Amino acid sequence: EAGVVQSPRYKIIEKKQPVAFWCNPISGHNTLYWYLQNLGQGPELLIRYENEEAVDDSQLPKDRFSAERLKGVDSTLKIQPAELGDSAVYLCASSLGSGDNEQFFGPGTRLTVL
Amino acid sequence: RKEVEQDPGPFNVPEGATVAFNCTYSNSASQSFFWYRQDCRKEPKLLMSVYSSGNEDGRFTAQLNRASQYISLLIRDSKLSDSATYLCVVNKMDSSYKLIFGSGTRLLVRP
Repeated sequence: EAGVVQSPRYKIIEKKQPVAFWCNPISGHNTLYWYLQNLGQGPELLIRYENEEAVDDSQLPKDRFSAERLKGVDSTLKIQPAELGDSAVYLCASSLGSGDNEQFFGPGTRLTVL
Repeated sequence: RKEVEQDPGPFNVPEGATVAFNCTYSNSASQSFFWYRQDCRKEPKLLMSVYSSGNEDGRFTAQLNRASQYISLLIRDSKLSDSATYLCVVNKMDSSYKLIFGSGTRLLVRP
């Protein structure tokens, strides 16, 4: 069974440029998460979806970050414009439901902003 | 103060050694606790859940002390393949269910 798929795996951009990350969760998982992980830190939740509804986006910097999961399957996270401090790994995870269901992570997108 | 605190390590131990990691959490209302493992430049993966009565999975034993808000992970007979970062994870019970990850403890097992 395929795991969580993310693309691209690596992205290098200059500051003030836009960037987008894509995630396809495990089939049948209706809960999808986007996390940010800085070097030497644990993942921090940016947004959680239940199907196509964003049920927790309190940690998403809405001035420059946006996300969508239009059909309740795959999802896109966008940053516009990117800043130097956005350099990090962006992880997508999915689970069968919310609560204590195991979260399965994708390999992440490593973003470098120059 | 961070919501979940861990000793960053690294813990450098020989093969066969027993090693223990500790974690403290600040939210006394937390109900669910986990250990995740993250290999270098890889994604986190669930290692085990932590139950109130303590639980064991092969060489790994997890303990929870609610009174002290303290979680531990014990690894016996360390293998080279145990080298990784171990993330302590606690749920946050507020308006929306959320997992809070610690910064991780790095383990290096040497031959």
